[in-house]
Amino acid sequence: KAGVTQTPRYLIKTRGQQVTLSCSPISGHRSVSWYQQTPGQGLQFLFEYFSETQRNKGNFPGRFSGRQFSNSRSEMNVSTLELGDSALYLCASSLVGGLAGDTQYFGPGTRLTVL
Amino acid sequence: KQEVTQIPAALSVPEGENLVLNCSFTDSAIYNLQWFRQDPGKGLTSLLLIQSSQREQTSGRLNASLDKSSGRSTLYIAASQPGDSATYLCAVMNRDDKIIFGKGTRLHILP
Repeated sequence: KAGVTQTPRYLIKTRGQQVTLSCSPISGHRSVSWYQQTPGQGLQFLFEYFSETQRNKGNFPGRFSGRQFSNSRSEMNVSTLELGDSALYLCASSLVGGLAGDTQYFGPGTRLTVL
Repeated sequence: KQEVTQIPAALSVPEGENLVLNCSFTDSAIYNLQWFRQDPGKGLTSLLLIQSSQREQTSGRLNASLDKSSGRSTLYIAASQPGDSATYLCAVMNRDDKIIFGKGTRLHILP
């Protein structure tokens, strides 16, 4: 069974631009969560999607948004990029997620560098 | 506000030794706690998940314990190997459905 895939793996953008990252979950998984990882703040939860609906959201500004498609694939968008948005963005999929407590499977991440 | 702390931030241990990694959290009203491993530049791999009603979980050489009342969890690694070198993160799922991660312990097993 294929794992979680994320594209692109590496991305370089400049301040003010926008970016879209993609995540394909494991087949059959309906929950996709996104995380930002930086050396200073560690791993922080961005949001979770389940059945095309955002079910939960972390404490990030509105510049960070996402969506989920009917095949459970998810995209994350960051508008008006700032230097501080440079990070490793990870997505994770699980069967149903949330308080069900099922295991999350992580993708390899997208390394975003903002110049 | 839930805070998750992992001490030490880094640890070096000779191969073959048993070791314990620590995780503490400030709000005991958690739904579950999970231990992950992250290799450099890669995503996370789930190691063990402990539901709030459980006290421990075991998988091979790994054993994770949970003491909700004291806000602590430990990850015990038996007979460490160089391949265990990685960063280990613990994460708690709060009852508001938000997951909070610790900053991890960077483990280096010396051959």
